[in-house]
Amino acid sequence: DSGVTQTPKHLITATGQRVTLRCSPRSGDLSVYWYQQSLDQGLQFLIQYYNGEERAKGNILERFSAQQFPDLHSELNLSSLELGDSALYFCASSSLARGSTDTQYFGPGTRLTVL
Amino acid sequence: AQSVAQPEDQVNVAEGNPLTVKCTYSVSGNPYLFWYVQYPNRGLQFLLKYITGDNLVKGSYGFEAEFNKSQTSFHLKKPSALVSDSALYFCAVSPSTDSWGKLQFGAGTQVVVTP
Repeated sequence: DSGVTQTPKHLITATGQRVTLRCSPRSGDLSVYWYQQSLDQGLQFLIQYYNGEERAKGNILERFSAQQFPDLHSELNLSSLELGDSALYFCASSSLARGSTDTQYFGPGTRLTVL
Repeated sequence: AQSVAQPEDQVNVAEGNPLTVKCTYSVSGNPYLFWYVQYPNRGLQFLLKYITGDNLVKGSYGFEAEFNKSQTSFHLKKPSALVSDSALYFCAVSPSTDSWGKLQFGAGTQVVVTP
């Protein structure tokens, strides 16, 4: 158990809908990262937050947004969902803000299915 | 731009035999390299990382990896594989020029250990 929690574990929804994925980092970690794992794209970095502020952005669609709250939990919002958004979404956390050397610890993921 | 290659989609090995999972990278600046393992329906678990220093890095569950700068490789090894090592293995890189530490993952290598 990494100490990173994600809810829900599974989410099934329809095209055009909006969903929210939630992540709680390990105790004491200030950085949260979101990744998407799909069969065709593999594991891709989406976005990073540190202590409530966005710090890095990857291949995140404009239909997707995220935020980190004062209690450090983070939410990933996916809107106008398409079939291709079906994937496993991981949250990871680390203790440092700036640190390519820092280990990221991953949650169990949320499996999103868009029908 | 950085990239990570895992040239083998799948590695098959008999229990008790040595296991090697290959990874090569391309980054600007010094590479920070990581190995993660993913069991079915689970998140990614951290195995080990190379930041600097000794080229041979020891990690969890008896795994080790050797950093080779001239060959730009970071192969994962285990002297004697177990059936329970069957899983999906990911190599990842975070270049030292990236202050925020987002990870670039390889496509993954499925390891199958047969009794």
